[in-house]
This record gives sequence, C-alpha cells and structure tokens, in this order.
Amino acid sequence: DAMVIQNPRYQVTQFGKPVTLSCSQTLNHNVMYWYQQKSSQAPKLLFHYYDKDFNNEADTPDNFQSRRPNTSFCFLDIRSPGLGDAAMYLCATSRVTEDTQYFGPGTRLTVL
Amino acid sequence: KNQVEQSPQSLIILEGKNCTLQCNYTVSPFSNLRWYKQDTGRGPVSLTIMTFSENTKSNGRYTATLDADTKQSSLHITASQLSDSASYICVVRGFGSASKIIFGSGTRLSIRP
Repeated sequence: DAMVIQNPRYQVTQFGKPVTLSCSQTLNHNVMYWYQQKSSQAPKLLFHYYDKDFNNEADTPDNFQSRRPNTSFCFLDIRSPGLGDAAMYLCATSRVTEDTQYFGPGTRLTVL
Repeated sequence: KNQVEQSPQSLIILEGKNCTLQCNYTVSPFSNLRWYKQDTGRGPVSLTIMTFSENTKSNGRYTATLDADTKQSSLHITASQLSDSASYICVVRGFGSASKIIFGSGTRLSIRP
C-alpha cells in the first residue's frame, strides 16, 4: 500500500547531541512537510519541500534543518537538541500544496 | 490574525451516543476546511474536506457541516464506537494572501463502554 513511513518511531537523544529523523513516501507526491507537535497542541509546520524547493517557516529555529535527496525521502536534522525540542515529529506529503496531506505515524523524540 | 478555535477541548461520551464537535475560524479569504482524526501516538488521518460552496459532507458515521458566512464548522459523530476515541483536528486553508494552513488545537474525544 502507498504510504508515508517514518523511522524511527521512537528516538531518544542526549541534550546537544545531533539527531536525524527519516521520512519516506511511496505516494510519489511533490510536497513533503515536517511538523512538530507537542502534547495537546496542534501540529506546527517547520518547513516543507515542493520538489527540491525548500520553504522554511519564519519562526522555525536554525537548530532545525532538512534535506530531501530525492522525491521519496526527506530528513529532519536537529543539530543541537534542547529539552524543549522533545515532541512528536510528523512527516506529511501532498500531491500539491492545496491537496489533502497524508501523514506518517510520527517519531516521538525524547531529549535527556 | 488568522485563527482556528475548537470546542470543547475534551469530551467524554458513552459508546453508542452521538456527539458534535465545533470549529470556528477567522481565516479570510477562505479556501477549504478539513477535519482530521488523530489516534494517540499516530499521525492525523483526513476525514473530510469542504470548500466554500459545500454545506454538508459525510464519511460513514462522520458528518461535517460548514457555514462559510458565520465561519463555523461542526463534525457530528453518530452511534459512537470505542475506536472513535481520538483527537479531532480542524484545519483551515486560506486563499491568496492567507494561503497558509492553520491547525486548530483539536478536541480530545473519549468513548466509554
């Protein structure tokens, strides 16, 4: 089945230790998004790629970076995780930005 | 400021009962409104999408309504099941200068046997 896959599902890292979260999709969608969702809050868009074009949200900290080496994969790099970065990180895709977004299951990040 | 507000914040009902969740928005100009269901520890899944001209849309036991004049939407769940326990998120997309997607904070629904 076509889907959005995130690995790992659970990630534990130490304060300040770089971490990379992975997202892959078999939907062949043009757009890939990264969201941060903290407990009982709405998902917060960090950035998105339309094909190779990177679109950063104005309030996304520099600590968060992203790479999209090809259509299928997109990575979220957190260069120096702080305690406040502990959250669920959701990857989503859509055919175009106006279309319905299909979400992956998320990666739960814990920062010790 | 473009906003999406949902109520109630949380709701507990007995299995088999109906319930209605509310979403009010100030996004303008308006493009579309989506309701997502998010199970605990999972990503959101789209239930319905409604555009300006649509008043009602159903997806099984889920029925969404939209009043674009008053900028209000509701999600009605009929004959609730235990599997309906989840967070329900209202997401509004603007148009033109307001083209960003705005997420509501969600309603946490718990179904009790």
